[in-house]
Parts: sequence; structure tokens; C-alpha cells
Amino acid sequence: DQQVKQNSPSLSVQEGRISILNCDYTNSMFDYFLWYKKYPAEGPTFLISISSIKDKNEDGRFTVFLNKSAKHLSLHIVPSQPGDSAVYFCAGTYANAGGTSYGKLTFGQGTILTVHP
Amino acid sequence: DADVTQTPRNRITKTGKRIMLECSQTKGHDRMYWYRQDPGLGLRLIYYSFDVKDINKGEISDGYSVSRQAQAKFSLSLESAIPNQTALYFCATSDPLSHIDETQYFGPGTRLLVL
Repeated sequence: DQQVKQNSPSLSVQEGRISILNCDYTNSMFDYFLWYKKYPAEGPTFLISISSIKDKNEDGRFTVFLNKSAKHLSLHIVPSQPGDSAVYFCAGTYANAGGTSYGKLTFGQGTILTVHP
Repeated sequence: DADVTQTPRNRITKTGKRIMLECSQTKGHDRMYWYRQDPGLGLRLIYYSFDVKDINKGEISDGYSVSRQAQAKFSLSLESAIPNQTALYFCATSDPLSHIDETQYFGPGTRLLVL
């Protein structure tokens, strides 16, 4: 049961244009979402996150949008740069009954982004 | 120096052998995790530990065991390796003060090949 799905295995974009990476989830308990970026031969690194009480979070060139009714989130990168070429993972998590961090992330399969000069 | 280190970085072993993957962190985090990455499946949680005395199974713990030797060290063992355990293994740490920060910090990974 894939609770977090990234249905596009790869995406190719021209430098300077917008990259849009999509992620769908099925677990209604998820209330916090994160995006990670991974370069070859390195571990994933945190990129941006969003709480379910928001529908948008922005950090420089990166914006994450959350549509709870559709159980869908997307990562926008504007403008895209060749250094953004990497694998992008989205992940969902939720708090325990006490409202403290549950600490477990459920990851999607990843999307390979290639930004061409 | 890296905050989360993994040894070895690459390992080739044979079916039936016991191997151990080690993870050390200097971030002072209480929580540590082991994931495996397979093509097309993303990262899947094997085991996690919220402190030295707390060990929990993840979604794919069969065939694996762990040891939390200290706050800074979390080892993953394959008691009898099999070919479908060939994968990229990542250790991660976190120390969320609240639900606001779920960020996990990953090591560079160990590439394991079981022949």
C-alpha cells in the first residue's frame, strides 16, 4: 500500500523555466509534509515542508502547495537551474495523540528532475 | 566533518553471510532511523529508535536487526544476507522539539550488494 505516490518518475525542464513536481497521498492522518532532494552518492537533504494548516509555503525559488481535499501537494521551482537536477522525494507524517512528533516519515518513490542549460 | 556518517560506504557480500552497517552522528539527536532505497520504491523505514532504550520496527524489518549502542551510534545487521536485500541503505537522525520540525538528517548511504 503506497501511501505516498509520485507518479512521474522523471521530469525534464529547460533552465529558467518552472519545474512542477507532484505528489499524492492516501493517508488522511498525514498533517505534515516534507520535500527532500537527493544528489547521486549523497543522502537526501531537506528542502521545504508544509503543515496541513497551510496551503502554501515559500522559500526562495521553492514553493510547496497543499490541496488537502485532493490529497495532493506539489513543489514548484522557479526559475529552475541546472544545479536543481536531482531526485526529489516527498514525504508525509503525522503527530501522535499527544500532538508531539510521531517521527516517522513515509516517502514517495521519487522524481528525477533534469534541468537542461 | 559530516554530521551523520555511515560505514562502510560500499559492501559486497555473499548469500548467508552476516553483515553489519554502522551509523554515527555528532548532531546530539536522540532519534535515529534506518531506511533502504530501492529503484521505484523510494525510501522505506526498516527500524527506528527514539532513544537508547527505545527500538521500534518499521515497515520492512523482517531479516534485519538493530542495536543502539549509544545516543550517537545505531547499527543495522543482516543476520543472513539474501540477494533481495541488495539496496542502498541510509541512516538518519532527528530531534524535533515540536511537530513543527520533522526534518531528518541523512547520512551518505551504504551501497550493499548481496551475491
